[in-house]
Amino acid sequence: QSALTQPASVSGSPGQPITISCTGTSSDVGGHNYVSWYQQHPGKAPKLMIYEVSNRPSGVSNRFSGSKSGNTASLTISGLQAEDEADYYCSSYTSSDTLVVFGRGTKLTVL
Amino acid sequence: QVLLVESGGGVVQPGRSLRLSCEASGFTFSSYAMHWVRQAPGKGLEWMALISYDGSSKYYADSVRGRFTISRDDSKNTLYLQMNSLRAEDTAVYYCAREGRKYGGRYYFDYWGQGTLVTVSS
Repeated sequence: QSALTQPASVSGSPGQPITISCTGTSSDVGGHNYVSWYQQHPGKAPKLMIYEVSNRPSGVSNRFSGSKSGNTASLTISGLQAEDEADYYCSSYTSSDTLVVFGRGTKLTVL
Repeated sequence: QVLLVESGGGVVQPGRSLRLSCEASGFTFSSYAMHWVRQAPGKGLEWMALISYDGSSKYYADSVRGRFTISRDDSKNTLYLQMNSLRAEDTAVYYCAREGRKYGGRYYFDYWGQGTLVTVSS
């Protein structure tokens, strides 16, 4: 089972929106609505930001939103803030033996 | 509040074994599926294993199937990962994580431990 495809890096200025894509196959992203997104600051554990494609856990800023079209899921952050600078990972259930697959991660830089 | 605390990491020689523990508190442990996820130094996240809320089902990543065993002791609110035949490529921070919905089947992780570092080296 290959990792989901994410851009290695994205950047944006404070206040601007950015979108991170996560591309898989019909066996994972495209075939199920079990896509989630995690934020990880250096040296810290990952934090759940979005689950089941577009649901936001309580306590997560409404600047974070998720969507999916076909085999590609997306995380959008509106109104970038300095504290958003982190690594972001997507994850999906997969109908292969592996069960869960992550993306390789995207480093977000706030300029 | 929900708390997950891993322990058991350290330096181990290739081919040897190690058992990781994850002590849970702040929620009804026996109602949740639990996972192990690892992260090699400077690399991304890699899902390792899942155990269902009742311990009846276990799943593994291809890279560890046959070498690693996930288990749980609900009387101790503790999750385990027995790692055998360790290899250099198993070097990573190992996180335990709670599945986000009671009784499982949702495949996302709402709480994570702080991680424990396993280094496989001679």
